[in-house]
Amino acid sequence: QKEVEQNSGPLSVPEGAIASLNCTYSDRGSQSFFWYRQYSGKSPELIMFIYSNGDKEDGRFTAQLNKASQYVSLLIRDSQPSDSATYLCAVNWGNTPLVFGKGTRLSVIA
Amino acid sequence: DAGVTQSPTHLIKTRGQQVTLRCSPISGHKSVSWYQQVLGQGPQFIFQYYEKEERGRGNFPDRFSARQFPNYSSELNVNALLLGDSALYLCASSLGSQVSGNTIYFGEGSWLTVV
Repeated sequence: QKEVEQNSGPLSVPEGAIASLNCTYSDRGSQSFFWYRQYSGKSPELIMFIYSNGDKEDGRFTAQLNKASQYVSLLIRDSQPSDSATYLCAVNWGNTPLVFGKGTRLSVIA
Repeated sequence: DAGVTQSPTHLIKTRGQQVTLRCSPISGHKSVSWYQQVLGQGPQFIFQYYEKEERGRGNFPDRFSARQFPNYSSELNVNALLLGDSALYLCASSLGSQVSGNTIYFGEGSWLTVV
C-alpha cells in the first residue's frame, strides 16, 4: 500500500517568516514528488516538483528531497498572507496515478 | 486556449440517486483521470482513460463507472449515492498516457453534495 503522510496542521507562521511543510511516504522505488497549493474551494495548483535528492529552488519556494529517509519538504520563504492555503504533497511511483497526502493547512498571520 | 472544463460546478443529490459528471480535456489531450476529494482529505484516484480505454482504476466500489468518448471528453457516473460520496470531483487531462504530476492539468472540479 503506497501512502503519503502529512501533518494536517494548521501551521501558523507570521508574515515574512519561513514556513516548513513536511511529507513522508512509504514504499521505496522510482518516485517523483510534487507539491500542490489548494485554496479553499479551488482545485489543486502545481507549484513544485522534484525527482532527485537535494534541494530545488523556485523563487520563494524550495523543495527538499531525502530518499534515504523517505521524506520531502517544502520551504516557503518570506511567507505572505496570500500563501495561506492547503499544501498537498503527492507522489508518482513510476507511471502510477498520483497518491496524495491529506494536506497541511498553512495560515500566514499578517 | 480553454483549460479542462467540468460540469456541473455544483449539484445536490439525494441518497440513492444517480449522478453524471462531465469533463472536457484540454484540446489535443487524449487522457482523462478522475479524482475524488472528500473535505479535509487529499484527492484520491478513481479512474484513468486513455484513447477511450480504461487504463487504471482506484479502490472504489462498482457504483462508480466512467467512459471516454471519441472526442476524448469523459463522464463519471455514480449510482446509488451515499452521503459519503459528497466530495469535490476533479478531472485531470494529459497529452499522453503519462499521469505524472507535471503532465496532468486539473479542472476546477464538480462539487457534489448528497443529502
